[in-house]
Amino acid sequence: EVQLVESGGGLVQPGGSLRLSCVASGFTFSIYYLHWVRQVPGKGLLWVSRIRTDGSITSYADSVKGRFTISRDNAKNTLYLQMNSLRAEDTAVYYCARETYDSGWYVDYWGQGTLVSVSS
Amino acid sequence: QSALTQPASVSGSPGQSITISCTGTSSDIGNFNLVSWFQQHPGKAPKLLIYEVTKRPSGVSDRFSGSKSGNTASLTISGLQAEDEADYSCCSYAGSNTLIFGGGTTLTVL
Repeated sequence: EVQLVESGGGLVQPGGSLRLSCVASGFTFSIYYLHWVRQVPGKGLLWVSRIRTDGSITSYADSVKGRFTISRDNAKNTLYLQMNSLRAEDTAVYYCARETYDSGWYVDYWGQGTLVSVSS
Repeated sequence: QSALTQPASVSGSPGQSITISCTGTSSDIGNFNLVSWFQQHPGKAPKLLIYEVTKRPSGVSDRFSGSKSGNTASLTISGLQAEDEADYSCCSYAGSNTLIFGGGTTLTVL
């Protein structure tokens, strides 16, 4: 069974930093691209970032570019999101998600999410 | 980039069919057959219902179907059931290795 378990969320002051982790199991972690997606409670989903299987290629939403860094450790089956210079508008539930491929790529499995609150 | 446009809410009675629209642009929905739909119950993770516009993952009921015309994708749920009451979100590839989501639609089963 595919499982993605996020952790590392919490309350942080504006301008602060936080690192999220996502531990995967039930599939061969190293051969899948992965994503971070966030959701303000009661609002829609917002794509944040994507990382290639070996970590060599990453992409980011404009709203987080230069502040957030996605990375992975294939030996530990773990995806990370380093979040710096946090703002109130970064407050959201952060999900990690797995990407798969058929004729094109798409996200299939999601974790349960971890809540990040940015407030003084 | 702005979110894909979905109606905030839709409703239907058990047994009826409903359709949720998702409108984008020629840079996302109109340019790629990479539209997905997700179902999300309160406090839960999103669940994949439809991928590549019309395909259903194994285990997803055939009551769920997807389509696309131009810059607009649609999700149709037939034979509405009480457990279908949830939030539904569309998603499209938007080029340059990025994704774009819709604002979400709350389905109420009357």
